[in-house]
Amino acid sequence: AQKVTQAQTEISVVEKEDVTLDCVYETRDTTYYLFWYKQPPSGELVFLIRRNSFDEQNEISGRYSWNFQKSTSSFNFTITASQVVDSAVYFCALSEKGYSSASKIIFGSGTRLSIRP
Amino acid sequence: GAVVSQHPSRVICKSGTSVKIECRSLDFQATTMFWYRQFPKQSLMLMATSNEGSKATYEQGVEKDKFLINHASLTLSTLTVTSAHPEDSSFYICSARVDRKNTEAFFGQGTRLTVV
Repeated sequence: AQKVTQAQTEISVVEKEDVTLDCVYETRDTTYYLFWYKQPPSGELVFLIRRNSFDEQNEISGRYSWNFQKSTSSFNFTITASQVVDSAVYFCALSEKGYSSASKIIFGSGTRLSIRP
Repeated sequence: GAVVSQHPSRVICKSGTSVKIECRSLDFQATTMFWYRQFPKQSLMLMATSNEGSKATYEQGVEKDKFLINHASLTLSTLTVTSAHPEDSSFYICSARVDRKNTEAFFGQGTRLTVV
């Protein structure tokens, strides 16, 4: 069965600090997809990134970067030079059995990130 | 990108009444939609997979007679919370993907249900 673990329940840092959100996953499939979503206080889910299991190349998008390590089943997310607007709950998620439209996405418990001015 | 619209965004209902939540894919067809439930400060828990033209597939522990799902068309799925009770108060959110590979899932804005 698939499982996503986000061990950090809450993180609080001062603005401009770098912060890394951890994500560890479990799956028996060789083909799967990993995601990160941001959920601001308004509640909607904002898609950040999708990564398939065959692509271990790290990705950088502005202040955001992701480190995918199959050897440790981890898909960590780093925010560089954090800003107050980054404050939100961040969810890591997993989709098994390839990625058809019928593949369900299972979410981790989320990490609540607070950036202090 | 693709848009999933959910309505209403907030609803307050009396205990014992039923509430219907709509999830529409505005610019794409979705054979499959997903319904999630989120309690305060908790994760999104998958409730069921909504299949167009057939019965929904419910996750273990979710009462199918309590949470009625209808997926009558390729752009609309509805979740009806029947005989709602205060413990059903939660944030409900739907999701859908474009029917081709390698696309991300799009989420509705969510519905905050409060049963009084």
